[in-house]
Amino acid sequence: QVQLVQSGAEAKKPGASVKISCKTSGYTFTSHAIHWVRQAPGQRLEWMGWTHVGNGNVKYSQKFQGRVTLSQDTSATTAYMELSSLTSEDTAVYYCARDVRREKTDFWGQGTLVTVSS
Amino acid sequence: DIQMTQSPSTLSASVGDRVTITCRASQSIGHWLAWYQQKPGKAPNLLIYKASYLQNGVPSRFSGSGSGTEFTLTVSSLQPDDFAFYYCQQYNDTYAFGQGTKLEIK
Repeated sequence: QVQLVQSGAEAKKPGASVKISCKTSGYTFTSHAIHWVRQAPGQRLEWMGWTHVGNGNVKYSQKFQGRVTLSQDTSATTAYMELSSLTSEDTAVYYCARDVRREKTDFWGQGTLVTVSS
Repeated sequence: DIQMTQSPSTLSASVGDRVTITCRASQSIGHWLAWYQQKPGKAPNLLIYKASYLQNGVPSRFSGSGSGTEFTLTVSSLQPDDFAFYYCQQYNDTYAFGQGTKLEIK
């Protein structure tokens, strides 16, 4: 069965970077894109970007352009999201999710809590 | 950027009720709209995609309709498990979510 399993919670200082992994299984990794979405406490879901792991195409939300890097290790069927120059406003749960032909985003990781505090 | 606005923000209803949530886009998005259910501490769960397509495994009491700028999610007969947050998402131009609707027990 399709599974996306994310790395554990992170606590970071302002100005630091965080890198979250999303280990996938149960499907052909290179046939689908992976989206990254975050949710700050009590806030709406916020799309950060996506990467088509098969061809390497990447698209970032303008809000995060320059601060976020999406990557993947196809041999490990794992996608990564790195966010730099963290501030307290980056405190949120971060999700990865599988895209299906840009028609739907059907399977999600369990989420990774990132807490940014001095 | 396309903005998504849901209404109402909170909806109080009883088991067995028929309820409708509306999502409006700031410009036309065709049929590129999805609906998700989210429970506290959990990832979103896809209910509807391309405005009206029911995701595999989702009960048929959920349905979606609309195109262009106005969309609705309807639950035909609320069950206890349906009380949760609901979000719409457009994916015509990048991706953007509505602010959410809390469906609570009356």
